Amino acid sequence: QKEVEQDPGPLSVPEGAIVSLNCTYSNSAFQYFMWYRQYSRKGPELLMYTYSSGNKEDGRFTAQVDKSSKYISLFIRDSQPSDSATYLCAMSEVTGGYQKVTFGIGTKLQVIP
Amino acid sequence: DVKVTQSSRYLVKRTGEKVFLECVQDMDHENMFWYRQDPGLGLRLIYFSYDVKMKEKGDIPEGYSVSREKKERFSLILESASTNQTSMYLCASSLLLDRQTSTDTQYFGPGTRLTVL
Repeated sequence: QKEVEQDPGPLSVPEGAIVSLNCTYSNSAFQYFMWYRQYSRKGPELLMYTYSSGNKEDGRFTAQVDKSSKYISLFIRDSQPSDSATYLCAMSEVTGGYQKVTFGIGTKLQVIP
Repeated sequence: DVKVTQSSRYLVKRTGEKVFLECVQDMDHENMFWYRQDPGLGLRLIYFSYDVKMKEKGDIPEGYSVSREKKERFSLILESASTNQTSMYLCASSLLLDRQTSTDTQYFGPGTRLTVL
């Protein structure tokens, strides 16, 4: 079983829809939870990060962490065609004196105009 | 803005060749990383470095080596390229923050798509 599970999709939604992207994990030592966005033929870029359970909002994006269920989500409101990309969840733990980041495989999102 | 650049966007090499992938960051970051990204497998850490001349193995170091002679530059070396090393290679860098209180936000380069024939 992978430490981080993420449905690869693809996920197709109409413009304006609310998108829900999710990851589950098995490692209780993960402390920080991140979402990266990766456009085609580009490197990933950090969207949001959260520490511990709860919600964090940034414009149209909301990140949610439920540590008791080992489940994290990214919600995108009023989705736009420019949101079409692959979204990677990432989680980090402190081990051996440094932070180790584990990435999900990414969910490919397509927002249709 | 942080900028991480990689020497090539696309590279085609033959089996057995020695391959150098170069990465340069311009924000004085202490940490640098090399990943490969494959469909269905996601990002996997090959090597990382927290300081000049320092290196640590990641999850899949076999068949690779690295060099960090200067703070801004981190090189990935494939000593003898094989077809199973065909992949997208991504370099990243981050600040050396207090590891106990802050996450390690990584900034990625655009990637090098390497094909080994």
